[in-house]
Amino acid sequence: DAGVIQSPRHEVTEMGQEVTLRCKPISGHNSLFWYRQTMMRGLELLIYFNNNVPIDDSGMPEDRFSAKMPNASFSTLKIQPSEPRDSAVYFCASRGTGAYEQYFGPGTRLTVT
Amino acid sequence: AQTVTQSQPEMSVQEAETVTLSCTYDTSESNYYLFWYKQPPSRQMILVIRQEAYKQQNATENRFSVNFQKAAKSFSLKISDSQLGDTAMYFCAFMKLSGGSNYKLTFGKGTLLTVNP
Repeated sequence: DAGVIQSPRHEVTEMGQEVTLRCKPISGHNSLFWYRQTMMRGLELLIYFNNNVPIDDSGMPEDRFSAKMPNASFSTLKIQPSEPRDSAVYFCASRGTGAYEQYFGPGTRLTVT
Repeated sequence: AQTVTQSQPEMSVQEAETVTLSCTYDTSESNYYLFWYKQPPSRQMILVIRQEAYKQQNATENRFSVNFQKAAKSFSLKISDSQLGDTAMYFCAFMKLSGGSNYKLTFGKGTLLTVNP
């Protein structure tokens, strides 16, 4: 099992640019979660999908953030336009049907200058 | 809303000794899970152990065990025979299983554990 795959692992961009983070969940998992980790706020949930449908997006900070899951094997988190305060590590996690554990990807470290 | 508190920002332990990390949580839910995740310097989040709230028996995974006190809303992690590879940030997490926003993890701020040789 390849685990949750995220790309890119590192992203450096300038303020105002569009950033797209990508995630491939574990095959067969039906729930997908996007988390953000910062020193100030710790780990916080941004959005999660169940069977490709967004269930809870209350953690999405503002309209600059959007997430999609066009199929069971792919999700994107987009920030447009990016700001320096978006600098963080973004994690994707997936969960299988009937299970409770979430398995995390390696994260994407985003730096906005 | 649920909150998770880890009162020890940093701890250290000598190799081969035992250490306990504390976690308390606040919830009005009766049906939930609790987890400990480990994040080594590689930043990968690794599941260490889980506990179902309806089970009175404390979960154990090899050198890792928990002390789950439901009435006190306490969920501590004990690491026995500490190894250098246990050096990491440890996060306590809560997941409710019913109602809105279920299945999402609420994390504590973490405890940085250093195992010294």
